[in-house]
Amino acid sequence: DAGVIQSPRHEVTEMGQEVTLRCKPISGHNSLFWYRQTMMRGLELLIYFNNNVPIDDSGMPEDRFSAKMPNASFSTLKIQPSEPRDSAVYFCASSFTGLRNTIYFGEGSWLTVV
Amino acid sequence: DAKTTQPPSMDCAEGRAANLPCNHSTISGNEYVYWYRQIHSQGPQYIIHGLKNNETNEMASLIITEDRKSSTLILPHATLRDTAVYYCIVRPSSGNTGKLIFGQGTTLQVKP
Repeated sequence: DAGVIQSPRHEVTEMGQEVTLRCKPISGHNSLFWYRQTMMRGLELLIYFNNNVPIDDSGMPEDRFSAKMPNASFSTLKIQPSEPRDSAVYFCASSFTGLRNTIYFGEGSWLTVV
Repeated sequence: DAKTTQPPSMDCAEGRAANLPCNHSTISGNEYVYWYRQIHSQGPQYIIHGLKNNETNEMASLIITEDRKSSTLILPHATLRDTAVYYCIVRPSSGNTGKLIFGQGTTLQVKP
């Protein structure tokens, strides 16, 4: 039974380049979350989708960040243009909708912007 | 704006029980307590959750005080593979989001 699948697992890019991170949630799940983890700030929620609709994007740091969920099985987090301070591990997570349903995390995308 | 307080680090001897405390004195009556852990370089892993009653599963036990202001996660026989950061999270139970807000967690070091 596949879990949350993220790609790429590792990416190194130059400042100013566009970065696209991808996520395939667990089949049947209809809530999707994007988190970012850094040493300084820990795990931060960036954005949350329910039934493909963004519900809470208050954690998105600035306009350079955007997230989409065109269908129930795919989501992207895009950074354009990227900056060195965007270097972090980005986690995607999914669950069934409902406050008692367990949220499952992917293994993360390790991004380094040089 | 995590609503929990945990010690930053703890040690435990291999084979002994690991008891990880969490303070959540401002918890609301219908908010759940969730525990996740994060092993180095991996995504957070769900462990257990509870509302009022104590809970047990194959990974751990969760003891919630009667006033619900604190809880303890118990790993009955810790192994070296249990070395990780453990997060205690109070999950909102109202509104249209089930998001998890992570604090700094407790780094548990299991020693041989």
